[in-house]
Amino acid sequence: QSALTQPASVSGSPGQSITISCTGTSSDVGGYNYVSWYQQHPDKAPKLMIYDVSNRPSGVSNRFSGSKSGNTASLTISGLQAEDEADYYCSSYTSSTTYVFGTGTKVTVL
Amino acid sequence: QVQLVQSGAEVRKPGASVKVSCKASGYTFTNYPMHWVRQAPGQRLEWMGWINVGNGKTKYSQNFQARVTITRDTSADTAYMELSSLRSEDTAVYYCAIRGYTYGHAFDIWGQGTLVTVSS
Repeated sequence: QSALTQPASVSGSPGQSITISCTGTSSDVGGYNYVSWYQQHPDKAPKLMIYDVSNRPSGVSNRFSGSKSGNTASLTISGLQAEDEADYYCSSYTSSTTYVFGTGTKVTVL
Repeated sequence: QVQLVQSGAEVRKPGASVKVSCKASGYTFTNYPMHWVRQAPGQRLEWMGWINVGNGKTKYSQNFQARVTITRDTSADTAYMELSSLRSEDTAVYYCAIRGYTYGHAFDIWGQGTLVTVSS
């Protein structure tokens, strides 16, 4: 199972919006609405930010939003803040009843 | 509150095996699937496999199929991940995680991670 493809890095200035893409295939991202996004700060466990493509868990800022088109899912962070600087990973359920993570994106706040 | 507490750091020699535990508390252990995810230093998250805690059925990533075994002890509310034939590339933090405790098909509860170091 190949990893989902994400850009290695994305950067933006405070207050700006950024979007992270997550590209898979029709056997994972495109085939199911089971894409989730995780934020990971250094030496910390991942934290769920978006589940089932576009839903936000309780307590997660509404500056985070998710969407999907075809085989590509996206995470948008609006009103970028210093605390958003972290690594972000997408994940998807697959047709093999397994799961797969993305390659990861480092977000830098300039 | 819902919590997953993992066993402590391990050091193994190449060719050996390691078994990491994940003790659950604060919820009905058998109601939710337990997954294992690993992360090598500076690398991405990598899904390893999962167990249906209720019936014990497992599913593994093809990348680990031959070397990983996930089990559970319902009397102890504990899940285990055993990885065999260790090599240096298996040096990583290993996480257990519950899928769908509250939020759909996502890993919404995570353990603190267990560092496994493989070194001669």
